[in-house]
Amino acid sequence: SAVISQKPSRDICQRGTSLTIQCQVDSQVTMMFWYRQQPGQSLTLIATANQGSEATYESGFVIDKFPISRPNLTFSTLTVSNMSPEDSSIYLCSVVASRNTGELFFGEGSRLTVL
Amino acid sequence: EDQVTQSPEALRLQEGESSSLNCSYTVSGLRGLFWYRQDPGKGPEFLFTLYSAGEEKEKERLKATLTKKESFLHITAPKPEDSATYLCAVDNFNKFYFGSGTKLNVKP
Repeated sequence: SAVISQKPSRDICQRGTSLTIQCQVDSQVTMMFWYRQQPGQSLTLIATANQGSEATYESGFVIDKFPISRPNLTFSTLTVSNMSPEDSSIYLCSVVASRNTGELFFGEGSRLTVL
Repeated sequence: EDQVTQSPEALRLQEGESSSLNCSYTVSGLRGLFWYRQDPGKGPEFLFTLYSAGEEKEKERLKATLTKKESFLHITAPKPEDSATYLCAVDNFNKFYFGSGTKLNVKP
């Protein structure tokens, strides 16, 4: 398994501002992912954070809105830019801890409320 | 198109009343099927991985089974602390597809 820490755990933000979420893993992992979970909904993949290269974004998500950094094998950040109330969600960092089992582990999430 | 469907959306049980949650999937390839538990305001907690049809896994009051088209999460004699949303996900070797979850409420 993997222990994943996210900061902040929650925040209330004003429209038009940006917020950066940090994700720290207790071991080196190749694959890190960022998910969004809107109220009452399931998880939607935003992007795959690649170490040493640009993140790979899913359809409907763009780098200008959700810039991602991955400076090393244990850390990543997701920025939610120019926020609007529609960005109010839980943002989750996740990792595949073992290539053999392929199990995906999640952080506790960052709950963002945009006013 | 690859997709995962969970049913029911919500389930209310009395303490001790056993039941099953369903996860049906249509994917181009199956590396693994995963069950998670999610409590309100928390990230999903990993429960089980199933890799091939016929496989079963158990943990306390939970038992997960897998066929070629669906998976079941059986809950035997549930307790109020089993109340949570249960998510199913499928890895098709390329990405994970999540179902919308079943919200379980166990009344004492």
